[in-house]
Amino acid sequence: SQKIEQNSEALNIQEGKTATLTCNYTNYSPAYLQWYRQDPGRGPVFLLLIRENEKEKRKERLKVTFDTTLKQSLFHITASQPADSATYLCALVQYNFNKFYFGSGTKLNVKP
Amino acid sequence: DAGVIQSPRHEVTEMGQEVTLRCKPISGHDYLFWYRQTMMRGLELLIYFNNNVPIDDSGMPEDRFSAKMPNASFSTLKIQPSEPRDSAVYFCASSALPPGALAKNIQYFGAGTRLSVL
Repeated sequence: SQKIEQNSEALNIQEGKTATLTCNYTNYSPAYLQWYRQDPGRGPVFLLLIRENEKEKRKERLKVTFDTTLKQSLFHITASQPADSATYLCALVQYNFNKFYFGSGTKLNVKP
Repeated sequence: DAGVIQSPRHEVTEMGQEVTLRCKPISGHDYLFWYRQTMMRGLELLIYFNNNVPIDDSGMPEDRFSAKMPNASFSTLKIQPSEPRDSAVYFCASSALPPGALAKNIQYFGAGTRLSVL
């Protein structure tokens, strides 16, 4: 089965800087990768999806890259704001497995 | 739509008691998922349904856990008997497409049930 690794240590950055979160996976390449945001006491909320044949996706201040050679996805938040503070989870789906595999998430703290 | 609705939000029970968690998916979504989240293991898929039929229950930890979906708008996850190691946050999610769909597929999560087994 897939193993997904996200940095378990919290990422602390200053407001206005770019936050970069990492998602590494093992075994087979996923069909696509998703990123979710989770606030305390809430369920994860979908942010972005990137497919295996896509290198990069953008949505407003968010950018996701996908490197199937490195088996890695990077999630960037530019011009970060304190409101971006949350835990960010990556999830991947493989063809023919029909299930989501989630990472444990990385907590982001953006300080004013 | 009000989104995925879970109840109760918090449940505190004693070891050995039966616990029932409830979920109402988004109307029109054919797929329903039950997850468990802990600090140690992250978010784990327990079971998922398609059109009320269980498709993959390989994540259900043991026979103490059971899930049902009697109709398209309601599902339950039952733990009997409960144990302290079952303490976690349990999420229900629903989606319109199967996980492996090539089209954009989003899971919508409920707010979760925080279970504490003493």
